[in-house]
Amino acid sequence: GDSVTQMEGPVTLSEEAFLTINCTYTATGYPSLFWYVQYPGEGLQLLLKATKADDKGSNKGFEATYRKETTSFHLEKGSVQVSDSAVYFCALRDAGNMLTFGGGTRLMVKP
Amino acid sequence: DTAVSQTPKYLVTQMGNDKSIKCEQNLGHDTMYWYKQDSKKFLKIMFSYNNKELIINETVPNRFSPKSPDKAHLNLHINSLELGDSAVYFCASSQERLAGAFFGQGTRLTVV
Repeated sequence: GDSVTQMEGPVTLSEEAFLTINCTYTATGYPSLFWYVQYPGEGLQLLLKATKADDKGSNKGFEATYRKETTSFHLEKGSVQVSDSAVYFCALRDAGNMLTFGGGTRLMVKP
Repeated sequence: DTAVSQTPKYLVTQMGNDKSIKCEQNLGHDTMYWYKQDSKKFLKIMFSYNNKELIINETVPNRFSPKSPDKAHLNLHINSLELGDSAVYFCASSQERLAGAFFGQGTRLTVV
C-alpha cells in the first residue's frame, strides 16, 4: 500500500535559519503530493502541493519539488520565523482517493 | 464562512457511552473523510465516503460508523466508548481526485 515517511522531529532552529524537512513516499501510479501544516490547537491547513513529476509547489516562502526519480518531496524554506513553529505533514493522494499522511515533523523556531 | 465545521470541539464522556461527532462542509465537495490523530500527532484515515462508495480502514473497530444524511454531512458515531478512543478526530473534504483536502478544526474526545 501507499506510505509516506518523514524525518522525525523535533527540528529546532534559530530564526532566519534554513529549513529542510525530508519526505519520501511509496505509491503505485502517479500520486499528487502535499505538505500540510498544523499550528497548535488547530486543524490541518494545506501549505502547498504538486501534482506531477518536477512540479514545484510553493507558498509563504516554503517550497517543495516533486522528484519522481527519488520518490521525494522535501520541504524547504530559506529563512524561518518563530511563527513557522508548527507540525508539518507530508501526504500523498493516489487515484484510489485516499489521502495518506506521514508521521508529522514538529518544527520549533527560537528567536 | 467556515468551509468544514465540526461539532463539538471538545467532548468528555464516560466509558461505555455512545456519542456522535457532526461534520458539515459548504464547499460542494463530493468526498468526505474522518481521521484520528493520536497524542503523538500521527494521523490515521478512518473512512473515506462519497455518494457512491464508502471505504473503511480495516483497522477501525466496528464500534465506529459514519453516517451521511446528505452530501454535505458526514457524522461519526461511536458506540461503547473506550479509553483508547481518546484522541482528536478530524473531518475533511475534497473534490478533485488528485486535489488536497480541507480539514475541520478537530474534535478532542476524552474518554474517562
